[in-house]
Amino acid sequence: SQQGEEDPQALSIQEGENATMNCSYKTSINNLQWYRQNSGRGLVHLILIRSNEREKHSGRLRVTLDTSKKSSSLLITASRAADTASYFCATDTTGANNLFFGTGTRLTVIP
Amino acid sequence: DGGITQSPKYLFRKEGQNVTLSCEQNLNHDAMYWYRQDPGQGLRLIYYSQIVNDFQKGDIAEGYSVSREKKESFPLTVTSAQKNPTAFYLCASSIVRGGRGSNQPQHFGDGTRLSIL
Repeated sequence: SQQGEEDPQALSIQEGENATMNCSYKTSINNLQWYRQNSGRGLVHLILIRSNEREKHSGRLRVTLDTSKKSSSLLITASRAADTASYFCATDTTGANNLFFGTGTRLTVIP
Repeated sequence: DGGITQSPKYLFRKEGQNVTLSCEQNLNHDAMYWYRQDPGQGLRLIYYSQIVNDFQKGDIAEGYSVSREKKESFPLTVTSAQKNPTAFYLCASSIVRGGRGSNQPQHFGDGTRLSIL
């Protein structure tokens, strides 16, 4: 499978703490994207990082990419209860015309 | 406001019945996608289309059919050949750049939950 794998599958933290989620993938990529999904809703795009980039920031989000290890991490700083959701990585792989989604990390932020 | 609208939100299928899920977008995107999401799994691609009157099979196309007669619309039919249709179905769209849509962010609808009666 070309799907990414997120780690951990589930994460529970207190409000104000940082949350780190990891994504590993198997094949060469053009870019890697992170999405958020609230329960019962569609996915919302958070950030896209290209294969020639190592780090990207957007507000409280920080994404890193290590193509030599075929892995990426998403850091959410100063978490809020409203950050409670599932987070998915998706890879745009060389030679394909579609994204491959991982299995997701379920984040719970306790107020 | 621009966006993607999926309908209905909930759908029930009887044995041997075909059902059609609607997906409409007013984002002027060329590419549209259908995904299936099962509990504990990621999204799996059913079909995608990068241009009107053309579409490609994804990883799990068996038992499904699509059409792309208009840029704004990409309906998905779950046929009676799909023996395990119970799932959450998500439609998405994106722009196409350099002949590919997968290098762009995708915009999602709020899904249709399909169950068997």
